Amino acid sequence: EPEVTQTPSHQVTQMGQEVILRCVPISNHLYFYWYRQILGQKVEFLVSFYNNEISEKSEIFDDQFSVERPDGSNFTLKIRSTKLEDSAMYFCASSLLGGGSSYNEQFFGPGTRLTVL
Amino acid sequence: GDSVTQMEGPVTLSEEAFLTINCTYTATGYPSLFWYVQYPGEGLQLLLKATKADDKGSNKGFEATYRKETTSFHLEKGSVQVSDSAVYFCALILTQGGSEKLVFGKGTKLTVNP
Repeated sequence: EPEVTQTPSHQVTQMGQEVILRCVPISNHLYFYWYRQILGQKVEFLVSFYNNEISEKSEIFDDQFSVERPDGSNFTLKIRSTKLEDSAMYFCASSLLGGGSSYNEQFFGPGTRLTVL
Repeated sequence: GDSVTQMEGPVTLSEEAFLTINCTYTATGYPSLFWYVQYPGEGLQLLLKATKADDKGSNKGFEATYRKETTSFHLEKGSVQVSDSAVYFCALILTQGGSEKLVFGKGTKLTVNP
């Protein structure tokens, strides 16, 4: 069964360093998403991506964050200069369609745990 | 703004016990409602959904009914198993301009003991 994969499963970095979190969405999906969950808090939407551009982003997704689909399979989240408060579990998701379609189920990866020291 | 509030955990039950996890929402308009489940070491999986008032979503013995009058979507199962131990997330979808983002509750950790 197709699944979303994410690497690495755990990333430890020093404050101020750049990190890139990687995701491989399901191959025929067109919409891609990043969410994060700070320990003990809610899963929060960060950004959605369609047709090689950001379609929606939250207020959390500031200039320190960027997303890219560098080739036909990967979808990456970059944090330019990490802060302590960026420590969280980051989930990637993909869906076949969006915008109210009945085929809009979002399929999630297992997450990357980011720890900023 | 739009939000989801669900029962704080953790919840610990014995096998074959009845499960209820409460979920209420605040939303402008009429969202679609979901329950996602996360088993240890895995990603979030869609458990069930309901797209309009009075719809009942069901899967793997779990059920939830979309109640517009009480803005609720409580998750129930008549007889839980050890394999149901997981974290359960209630969520709603907002549709804005063709893109959809999920709004989640905090999650409720369920442990079922044999």
